Amino acid sequence: QVQLVQSGAEVKKPGASVKVSCKASGYTFTGHHVHWVRQAPGHGLEWMGWFNPNSGETNYAQKFQGRVTMTRDMSINTAYMELSGLKSDDTALYYCAKEWGYSAMYYILDYWGQGTLVTVSP
Amino acid sequence: DIQMTQSPSSLSASVGDRVTITCRASQSIGTYLNWYQQKPGKAPKLLIYAASTLQSGVPSKFSGSGSGTDFTFTISSLQPEDFATYYCQQSHSAPPTFGQGTKLDI
Repeated sequence: QVQLVQSGAEVKKPGASVKVSCKASGYTFTGHHVHWVRQAPGHGLEWMGWFNPNSGETNYAQKFQGRVTMTRDMSINTAYMELSGLKSDDTALYYCAKEWGYSAMYYILDYWGQGTLVTVSP
Repeated sequence: DIQMTQSPSSLSASVGDRVTITCRASQSIGTYLNWYQQKPGKAPKLLIYAASTLQSGVPSKFSGSGSGTDFTFTISSLQPEDFATYYCQQSHSAPPTFGQGTKLDI
């Protein structure tokens, strides 16, 4: 069965960086893009970007360009999202999600990781 | 970016009720509309994609319809496990955007 297992909670100071991992299993890792979505406490869902594990291609939301980097390690079927220059309003749950389409982009997120809480506090 | 607006923002209902949530897009998105369910402390779960197609394994009590700018999501007979927050999301163009959510409670 498809599973996305994310790394544990992080506490960071303003200005620092955080790197969240997302280990995929149960499907062909290189066949599906990985999306990253965040959810601030008590708020809705905000798409951050996608990553193509096969080609390494990325597409970041304009809001995060210059601060976010998405990468992968194909040897362990793991995707990573690094966010730099953290501010207090970056405090949120960060989710990875699998793209429904095979080698194609439909922006349908069919399986999600359990989420990683990132807290930014002085 | 395409703005997605859901109504209502919250909804009180009872077990056995039929409930409907609406989602409106700021411009026409065809049928590029998906619905997710999120329970407290859990990740969102895809229920419906392409406006009306049920994701594999999702019970048929859930349904969706609409095209263009106006969409509806219906639960035919509420069960206790259906009390959650529901989000619509457009997949017509990047960036994909979500509605603000509809919290369904007792």
